[in-house]
Order: sequence, then structure tokens, then C-alpha cells
Amino acid sequence: NAGVMQNPRHLVRRRGQEARLRCSPMKGHSHVYWYRQLPEEGLKFMVYLQKENIIDESGMPKERFSAEFPKEGPSILRIQQVVRGDSAAYFCASSERTSGANVLTFGAGSRLTVL
Amino acid sequence: RKEVEQDPGPFNVPEGATVAFNCTYSNSASQSFFWYRQDCRKEPKLLMSVYSSGNEDGRFTAQLNRASQYISLLIRDSKLSDSATYLCAVTPWGAVYQKVTFGTGTKLQVIP
Repeated sequence: NAGVMQNPRHLVRRRGQEARLRCSPMKGHSHVYWYRQLPEEGLKFMVYLQKENIIDESGMPKERFSAEFPKEGPSILRIQQVVRGDSAAYFCASSERTSGANVLTFGAGSRLTVL
Repeated sequence: RKEVEQDPGPFNVPEGATVAFNCTYSNSASQSFFWYRQDCRKEPKLLMSVYSSGNEDGRFTAQLNRASQYISLLIRDSKLSDSATYLCAVTPWGAVYQKVTFGTGTKLQVIP
């Protein structure tokens, strides 16, 4: 079991460019969460998705950010027209259940640096 | 008020000491509680779930106080390898889906 796979691990973009972060959940997991972590800060919830559905995007900025989890392929977090404030670690987590204890397994994260 | 709050620390303790962290949550309908551990620049990893009756795993003890809306983590006989940030996580009760909300973490530094 390869666990939660995120790529790229490190991404450098200039202001105004687009960033695409990918996440493949653990085998058998159908729920994906994205979190953002700024340096020396906690994990901030961004979005929760199931296959082909966005369940909760209450943590997503209103503009420039979008997420999807298609029927086939990884979940993608897309940031358009990046700004320096977008520099952060973006963690993806997956789980297999919607009831009972919802244990998350995290990927190693994608570190975005905006120049 | 934040949904989940933790004392950021850092807690600097000598090896062998006992240290305790608290985490308060604002939603009285919260259902599931967890402690995660995050090493510097790494991903969070589940340390333990927190059960209503309290639970222990080796040197680690987790407890839940629903009346006061907090969970705690006790680490006995601290090791250098326990140095990390400890995050508490909370999920709501009875939701169709379960958004997991994390605290900002408490940093522990165990000193030789």
C-alpha cells in the first residue's frame, strides 16, 4: 500500500502563474481532504471531496482556488494567479469512512513557493 | 472563538518528565477526537484516538472531558524522540460527512 501520494513535493512559481497540486488517496479510500499549513501555523481546512463531488469547500478562498476529484485519476488542487501569500505546505489526506471514527492518513505534502 | 484551541507552547521539558497538553473545542456536538503528531516539515500522523472512557497506549494517555469540552494528552517518561508538535483534531456529531478540524498544535521540546 503506497499510502497517500502527493506531487509535486516542491513547486516554485512566479506571481501570476498557476499551481496544480495532485493527490492520490490510499487504495480503498474515497474521501479526500486538502489542508494548508503556513510556516509555524496549524493545519487549516480547505476542502473535502468524494469522487466527483465537493462535499465541503468552506475553507477555500473565494477566488483563484479550486479543487476536483474526478472519477478517474487523482484529486487536484488548483491555484490560479498565485501570490506570495499562497506560499505554504499543502497537505492532502484521505479516509475510507463517513461514519464512526474518521481517521485521516496524510500525504507528505506539496510545498509551494511563490517568488 | 476558534473551533479547536491549543496552547502553542513551546513546552520545554527534561527527559523523563511527565507533560500534559489540553485542547478545547467549541462545538458541544463534537463526536470524535484524535491526537496527531507532526515532526518538523513532515506530515501529521495519527498518534491515538480519544475515547470517552479515556485510553492509554504505552507512555501516552488520552482523556476526554465532555462537560468542560476538552481533551488531554499525557506523556510520561518523556523521550528525546517525543519532540514534535502535537495536534488535536475534532469531528462533528451526526454529520452526513465528517469534516476534521485541527488545533494549531502544541510544540514539545524534550531536553537532554
